[in-house]
Amino acid sequence: DAGVTQSPTHLIKTRGQHVTLRCSPISGHKSVSWYQQVLGQGPQFIFQYYEKEERGRGNFPDRFSARQFPNYSSELNVNALLLGDSALYLCASSLRGDRSYEQYFGPGTRLTVT
Amino acid sequence: DQQVKQNSPSLSVQEGRISILNCDYTNSMFDYFLWYKKYPAEGPTFLISISSIKDKNEDGRFTVFLNKSAKHLSLHIVPSQPGDSAVYFCAARKSAGGTSYGKLTFGQGTILTVHP
Repeated sequence: DAGVTQSPTHLIKTRGQHVTLRCSPISGHKSVSWYQQVLGQGPQFIFQYYEKEERGRGNFPDRFSARQFPNYSSELNVNALLLGDSALYLCASSLRGDRSYEQYFGPGTRLTVT
Repeated sequence: DQQVKQNSPSLSVQEGRISILNCDYTNSMFDYFLWYKKYPAEGPTFLISISSIKDKNEDGRFTVFLNKSAKHLSLHIVPSQPGDSAVYFCAARKSAGGTSYGKLTFGQGTILTVHP
């Protein structure tokens, strides 16, 4: 079985630009969560989507947005990039909303903002 | 507000011995606790979880202990193997019902090195 996949693997952007990161969950998983991990820290929760609806939002500015598609894949969008947005962005999927504590992570997208 | 803390940045053990990784939390609303392992350039890999109504869960070489009164959990790896060398994160989830019920709160991680 394929695990969670994310694209691109890494990318470099300039301050002020916009970026879109993509995630495909494990087959059968309907919940997708996004996390940001900066060096030396644990992942920080950004969003959770279940059945295409936002079910949770972390303490991130409105420059961060996301959506989930009918096939349960998801996009994370970040506008007006800042240097501090440089991080590993992780996507995780889980089987059902109420068992969302068992989250399975993809390899991440390494974003560098210059 | 660091609700989940791993106070040991690193741990070094000999192959075959026990590794004990510790985690403390402050929020009594957490209902599930998890341990993840992370290799460089990979996403975190789910290892084991425990419900807040239990005090122990075992899966092969991995055992997680939960002490609710102390708000402390630990992961025991026995016997430790060189392939266990990685960063270990503990994570916790608040009980369902409010917003962000799927949110996991992570500790800062502990780097485990197992020497042959």
